[in-house]
Formats: sequence, C-alpha cells, structure tokens
Amino acid sequence: GESVGLHLPTLSVQEGDNSIINCAYSNSASDYFIWYKQESGKGPQFIIDIRSNMDKRQGQRVTVLLNKTVKHLSLQIAATQPGDSAVYFCAEIFYNQGGKLIFGQGTELSVKP
Amino acid sequence: DSGVTQTPKHLITATGQRVTLRCSPRSGDLSVYWYQQSLDQGLQFLIHYYNGEERAKGNILERFSAQQFPDLHSELNLSSLELGDSALYFCASSVGGTSGYTFGSGTRLTVV
Repeated sequence: GESVGLHLPTLSVQEGDNSIINCAYSNSASDYFIWYKQESGKGPQFIIDIRSNMDKRQGQRVTVLLNKTVKHLSLQIAATQPGDSAVYFCAEIFYNQGGKLIFGQGTELSVKP
Repeated sequence: DSGVTQTPKHLITATGQRVTLRCSPRSGDLSVYWYQQSLDQGLQFLIHYYNGEERAKGNILERFSAQQFPDLHSELNLSSLELGDSALYFCASSVGGTSGYTFGSGTRLTVV
C-alpha cells in the first residue's frame, strides 16, 4: 500500500551538532522522494529531493540518503542552527497516480542554543 | 512569498455551513494539488487538477469538491461542515508532476 512514515516524532539537538531525521517507506515502486520543512503557521517548504536511481544527494548543509534495500530515507542537516527548528516531512511521489505526493507523519526538530 | 496564493488565511464557520477556499498557482504551473493537515492525520492528499482536469483523488470526502478554472486558479468547496473538518488546507502547484511542488501558506478552517 501507500505508506511513508517517520521513525521518530521528535528530535532535540544542540546548536552546531548534526541532525539526522529518518523515514521509512513501503512502496518500492516510487520514483522520487522529497524532504519538506514546515515552520509554524507556514506551508511546507521544499528542501531537497532524490530520485530512486540515486543513493545520495547533497545540498547546502543538507544531505539525503536513500537505501532502497531496506526502504529507508534519511535527511542529514550539518551544523544545525536554531532556524532549522521545524517539522520535517518526507514525501513520496507517485507518478502513476498523477504525480500526487504522499507525506509521512513528520518529525519535529528542536534546536537548543 | 512562495508564489502560490491561498485565500482566505483564516475562516471560522458553523457546523452545517459551506465554504470555498481559493488557490492561485504560481505563474506557469498547470497542476494544483489540495492537502488537508490536521493534528492527528498529518498532511493528507485530497485531489489533483492538471490544466482544468481532475487527475487524481485521495481521501476526499463526498461533501468536498474542487475545480480548476481556465485561468488555472482552483477552488475547494467544503459543505455540510463538521467539527472534524477543522484543519489547515494547503494547495500546492507544479508545472507537471515533478519535484517542483510549491505550497501556499494555507487556509486555517475552524468549524464551531
């Protein structure tokens, strides 16, 4: 079935530390995964994406890793800052269903100064 | 500003009433997606329109309907409202069905 879920609902880190947010998915046929950041009162904001034929993709301070063998996705944030505090969602695109995005439940990241 | 405009930002209405939420996609985007976000359900996909045509439906109630107009703006109609319909409603737009999804800032609906 269609299911994208997150391992941990909350994550608290010290400013300057690295953060790792995990996500498990169940549909091995998906083509694309996206990480979104949602701050309070705002809509989800695109962070980084990765195609299913890739294992790793890096952005500015963020890295996404995809392990298709165990259907696991992770978002690594380097040198976490207070502005990174938000809820992070992984999402999966179903191209065979009009490109709809299925979201996981979300992990709330809290950065302590 | 993401380029996706949703109105109104806040809406308070009584049970049994009907409301219309509006979404204007980013310039050039043909796809509009509607999502419902409640505390206990996360972000739930409702419906997708592409260039005026319905493309996919998610867990959208029969009391809810949507359409996309020739100018590509979309409206989500919610009728016979119940307390449980209180949520944030987001729309997102993209050129097609790719990673270029951009979300609006949402409409917070409160049913009392």
